[in-house]
Amino acid sequence: GAGVSQSPSNKVTEKGKDVELRCDPISGHTALYWYRQRLGQGLEFLIYFQGNSAPDKSGLPSDRFSAERTGESVSTLTIQRTQQEDSAVYLCASTPNSYEQYFGPGTRLTVT
Amino acid sequence: SQQGEEDPQALSIQEGENATMNCSYKTSINNLQWYRQNSGRGLVHLILIRSNEREKHSGRLRVTLDTSKKSSSLLITASRAADTASYFCATANSGNTPLVFGKGTRLSVIA
Repeated sequence: GAGVSQSPSNKVTEKGKDVELRCDPISGHTALYWYRQRLGQGLEFLIYFQGNSAPDKSGLPSDRFSAERTGESVSTLTIQRTQQEDSAVYLCASTPNSYEQYFGPGTRLTVT
Repeated sequence: SQQGEEDPQALSIQEGENATMNCSYKTSINNLQWYRQNSGRGLVHLILIRSNEREKHSGRLRVTLDTSKKSSSLLITASRAADTASYFCATANSGNTPLVFGKGTRLSVIA
């Protein structure tokens, strides 16, 4: 079946611009996570959605970052007024209430 | 913050040899998982071990967990060039919670 998809796969933007990253989870997966991975580093948790519960935003690094999810479907991660330190791969994962997380291919964001 | 710390940071071996990677973590966990990442993009789940388990096998993979030492190891036997990737351990302190990842081990298997 279809896995987690993310778009765009690559995004180059100028400092100060806003960007929107999209994640399509696997159908039926109730939980969705966003992570950030800087070059050569592990993954940093950003935000977590579980069903209709309030999202866990504890990992968002600043108020320039926000995310939404409509029901148990698509999620968008928005970064406002991008900075060079926002350059990273942004990874989305979903899970059907189990422990194993299924990752998308990521969006590589480059802020120039 | 990152909980897991993998050791070594990089490992280079010949095809056919075994590869062992270690992971240490700081707080109590519900489970520990190992993931593989090719070319810095999506991660693939390899194996999960629960806090009440000590050893688990999956194909050429063997994972151990020592909760008293807060450490885990991943052994890949009879390595292949296709095993070349970065390997990350990730911990969860309960089900369906965000995973906390280490920085990973870069494994290179030379044919």
